[in-house]
This record gives sequence, structure tokens and C-alpha cells, in this order.
Amino acid sequence: KAGVTQTPRYLIKTRGQQVTLSCSPISGHRSVSWYQQTPGQGLQFLFEYFSETQRNKGNFPGRFSGRQFSNSRSEMNVSTLELGDSALYLCASSRSGQGQNEKLFFGSGTQLSVL
Amino acid sequence: QQQVKQSPQSLIVQKGGISIINCAYENTAFDYFPWYQQFPGKGPALLIAIRPDVSEKKEGRFTISFNKSAKQFSLHIMDSQPGDSATYFCAASMDKIIFGKGTRLHILP
Repeated sequence: KAGVTQTPRYLIKTRGQQVTLSCSPISGHRSVSWYQQTPGQGLQFLFEYFSETQRNKGNFPGRFSGRQFSNSRSEMNVSTLELGDSALYLCASSRSGQGQNEKLFFGSGTQLSVL
Repeated sequence: QQQVKQSPQSLIVQKGGISIINCAYENTAFDYFPWYQQFPGKGPALLIAIRPDVSEKKEGRFTISFNKSAKQFSLHIMDSQPGDSATYFCAASMDKIIFGKGTRLHILP
């Protein structure tokens, strides 16, 4: 069974630009969650999508948005990039979603650098 | 209330020693406490998890100790090996999983 796939692996953008990251969950998993990982703050929850609906949201500004398609693939968009958005963005999939005490399966992440 | 506090930030242990990482939480509504292990260049992977009605769970060399009254839980790695060198995250779950800030563990050969 293929794991969680995130593309691209690395991304370099400049301030003010926007970026779209992609995540393909494990087959059969309907939940995709996104996390931001930075050395100082650890893993911070961005949002979770389940069956194309946003189920939960963390404390990030509206510049961070996402969506999920009918095949459970998810995209995350960050608009008007700031230097502080430089981070590793991880997505995780699970069968029934967060709150069900299930194992999360993480991808290897997209390393975003904002110059 | 949604935070999970993890310590230490980094830890160096001799091969064969015991590695101990501690976490604390405030929200008593959390009902699931997983630990994730992350190697460089990889995403985190579930290591072991416990529910609050259990005081201890052991899987091989890894043990979670859970103290519900103190709202604390810890990961013990017995007979630590160089291959255990990684970043460890404790977490607590309710409607979403909240992670601690991580502990970078280095096992000296």
C-alpha cells in the first residue's frame, strides 16, 4: 500500500507570493490533516478535512486555506507569503479522522522557504 | 488549555541507558495520548499510545507511564540504542491531536 505522498518536496518562494501544496492520502483514508512544523514551535495543527469538508481548524490566519477533492486528495494554499511561513508542512491521513483515536500516517512533508 | 508541554527540549543518553521524556497537559477532556517518532527527512510515525484509564503501556523497549491525577505522562526508552536517535513528540487528542514541541534525542554509541 502506498504511503502518504506530498508534492513538491521543496519549494522556494518570495514574500508576497502564494503557494499551493498537495497531499495524496493512503487509499481508503478519508481524513487529511495539515500541520506546520518549525524548530521552535514543533507541530502546529492547521486544519483537517474529511469527505471534502473542513472538520476542524487551528489558530492560523485566513491566509492559510485548504480543500479536499472527492478522491480525498487535499491541497493547502498560503497566500501573501511572509518570512515566518518558512517551515516544513506535513500532511497526515487516517481512515476516520481525528477525534477517533486513530493512528495518523504522515507524509515526508514539503519544505517551504520564503525569501 | 489546549497545550501539551514537553520536556526536555533535547536529551543525550549513553547507549544502553534509559531515555525519559516528560509531558504535561491541562485539559482533562483529552482521551488519547500518542507518542510519535520522527527521523530526519521523514514525517512523524506513531510509536506507542495510551488511554487515560491505563497507568502504563509497554511495547518492547518503549513504555508510557500515565499519571491521570497529575495530568502527566512520560515515555521511557529502555536499553537506548543509536538507532533510537530521533525527535519524539508527545500528543493529546480530543477532537484534534495537539502535539508537544518535541524532544531531540541523541544516543551516544
